[in-house]
Amino acid sequence: NAGVTQTPKFQVLKTGQSMTLQCAQDMNHEYMSWYRQDPGMGLRLIHYSVGAGITDQGEVPNGYNVSRSTTEDFPLRLLSAAPSQTSVYFCASRSLGVRNEQFFGPGTRLTVL
Amino acid sequence: AQTVTQSQPEMSVQEAETVTLSCTYDTSESDYYLFWYKQPPSRQMILVIRQEAYKQQNATENRFSVNFQKAAKSFSLKISDSQLGDAAMYFCAFNQFYFGTGTSLTVIP
Repeated sequence: NAGVTQTPKFQVLKTGQSMTLQCAQDMNHEYMSWYRQDPGMGLRLIHYSVGAGITDQGEVPNGYNVSRSTTEDFPLRLLSAAPSQTSVYFCASRSLGVRNEQFFGPGTRLTVL
Repeated sequence: AQTVTQSQPEMSVQEAETVTLSCTYDTSESDYYLFWYKQPPSRQMILVIRQEAYKQQNATENRFSVNFQKAAKSFSLKISDSQLGDAAMYFCAFNQFYFGTGTSLTVIP
């Protein structure tokens, strides 16, 4: 099993550009989520999904869109990148039930100039 | 909204000694789960230990144990017999939705 995979590993964007961060998991997990990690801020939840076709907002959803067309994939779209979105982005997945271990991807380091 | 506070940005411990990392949280819920995650320099997040709020018994996982004080809303992590591989950022999390700001642990040989 590959677990949770994320592409790309690194990305540099100019302000105003759009892009999609890819996330895939092969563990048949219903729950998937996106976090951003900033120095001194810990991890903050952006969006999450409890199954195909179902998404919801986390703590910091503004400027990001998500969709969940399949169980395996959960892409994160930046509509118009801003310097404030410079961060490390983590995708995670787990079985339904908040007590279940969450498996994280390796992260994507995004820089917006 | 729930909040999670880790008041120790950095901690250090001598190899083979014991260290305790602090975490407090605020919630009006009575049933919830608390977690400690470890993030080594590789950046990979790894679950260390979890605690169910309705269980009074403190969780343990080998050298890792917690001191869960529900009334005080405190959830500290104790690492016994510290090893060099324990050096990492440690994050406390509430229901895996809210994370603290992390504690950077250095292990001194």
